[in-house]
Amino acid sequence: EIVLTQSPATLSLSPGERATLSCRASQSVRGYLAWYQQKPGQSPRLLIYDASNRATGIPARFSGSGSGTDFTLTISSLEPEDFAVYYCQHRSNWPLTFGGGTKVEIK
Amino acid sequence: VQLLESGGGLVQPGGSLRLSCAASGFTFSNYAMSWVRQAPGKGLEWVSTFTGRSNTTYYADSVKGRFAISRDNSNNTLYLQMNNLRVDDTAAYYCAKGSSRSYDFDCWGQGTLVTVSS
Repeated sequence: EIVLTQSPATLSLSPGERATLSCRASQSVRGYLAWYQQKPGQSPRLLIYDASNRATGIPARFSGSGSGTDFTLTISSLEPEDFAVYYCQHRSNWPLTFGGGTKVEIK
Repeated sequence: VQLLESGGGLVQPGGSLRLSCAASGFTFSNYAMSWVRQAPGKGLEWVSTFTGRSNTTYYADSVKGRFAISRDNSNNTLYLQMNNLRVDDTAAYYCAKGSSRSYDFDCWGQGTLVTVSS
């Protein structure tokens, strides 16, 4: 089983600041990594697929990068609606797994 | 695209439940469908996937042998039969549609809560 480790667990930032979230895989997932956003009381939403491709309707301030075992989600300038929990997920093999999440909170 | 789960509730340890997910707005039979769960205050855990074309099923080790995923393409419905439920199965269960890449999820239902408690 591929273990995805997200860091930091919590990121405290102000609106307008840049957020950098990390997801590290215990073995290579090639480019098969997705990022999701989940707000309190809501279902997750797909942000990024295959490491660097924005899903439909996702603003350009969200970007993803990386390959192999190290991946990054960057939010270039935080908007109030971006404060949420973010999860990474791989689809490289079975079982699919998610990272433990990074909470982006208002400082 | 819409996914609507139902069937959650309170069940005793060792009991059974069947969850349903009614899908609309897309050609259901063409896509892999999955169940993902989230224990209260915890992160996301993939549970099971039913592929779109090859009719293959996959399960997390934590549910293998106890849960069974199935689908009715004529009625656009996904199911999860959960047997021998344990307290640690308590979670919100989400139905998730596979993207064109099959195994990431581009649409999620609102979730149905399963509570296993005596």
